[in-house]
Amino acid sequence: QLQLQESGPGLVKPSGTLSLTCAASGDSISSTHWWSWVRQPPGKGLEWIGEIFHTGRTNYNPSLNNRVTISVDTSKNQFSLRLSSVTAADTAFYYCARIYCGGGICNYGKDVWGQGTTVTVS
Amino acid sequence: EIVLTQSPGTLSLSPGERATLSCRASQSVSNIHIAWYQQKPGQAPRLLIYGASTRATGIPDRFSGSGSGTDFTLTISRLEPEDFAVYYCQHYTDLPVTYTFGQGTKVEIK
Repeated sequence: QLQLQESGPGLVKPSGTLSLTCAASGDSISSTHWWSWVRQPPGKGLEWIGEIFHTGRTNYNPSLNNRVTISVDTSKNQFSLRLSSVTAADTAFYYCARIYCGGGICNYGKDVWGQGTTVTVS
Repeated sequence: EIVLTQSPGTLSLSPGERATLSCRASQSVSNIHIAWYQQKPGQAPRLLIYGASTRATGIPDRFSGSGSGTDFTLTISRLEPEDFAVYYCQHYTDLPVTYTFGQGTKVEIK
């Protein structure tokens, strides 16, 4: 059964770069699914950050103004998030999640989530 | 850009009652692109419904999704104690690829 685990620094300085990794176990990153990042500021709702396929193809949230880079390392079965030029507004709980795709069709729902990791910009 | 508006903001109900949560899109969308999630305090969201009406694996049948066009509904037929949580709807579009969440509806114990 697929499990996802986020890791990375919990504190980032303003104007710095946030870097997180999501390690997958129980399924291969090189499978048919997409892999995504979602964040949630304290006490607020969910915001999609972006997604990646194992080939390296990515999609990003336009509202993040080209600050986002998502990469994949199939040899380590993990994918990563980098968010540059961070401000206090980037303080949030960050989740990685799978978007299930099978038979050439995606259901567009994020069916497996990591437990999340908190990042504070200060 | 499609905006999802969920209502009500908070729903106060008792266990055993029926909960009806609304998600309205700012323009007509395809059913297959609508999903619903449940989130409890301190936990990651949990996928309940995708394709507007298909229950995800392991989701009890008291949860159902419906709707089309701009109006979508998540119904919990009889609230169990574990159902009190925040619920989010989500839309996907591919022009360009974007996932948008509603602001959430909190279902609280009355």
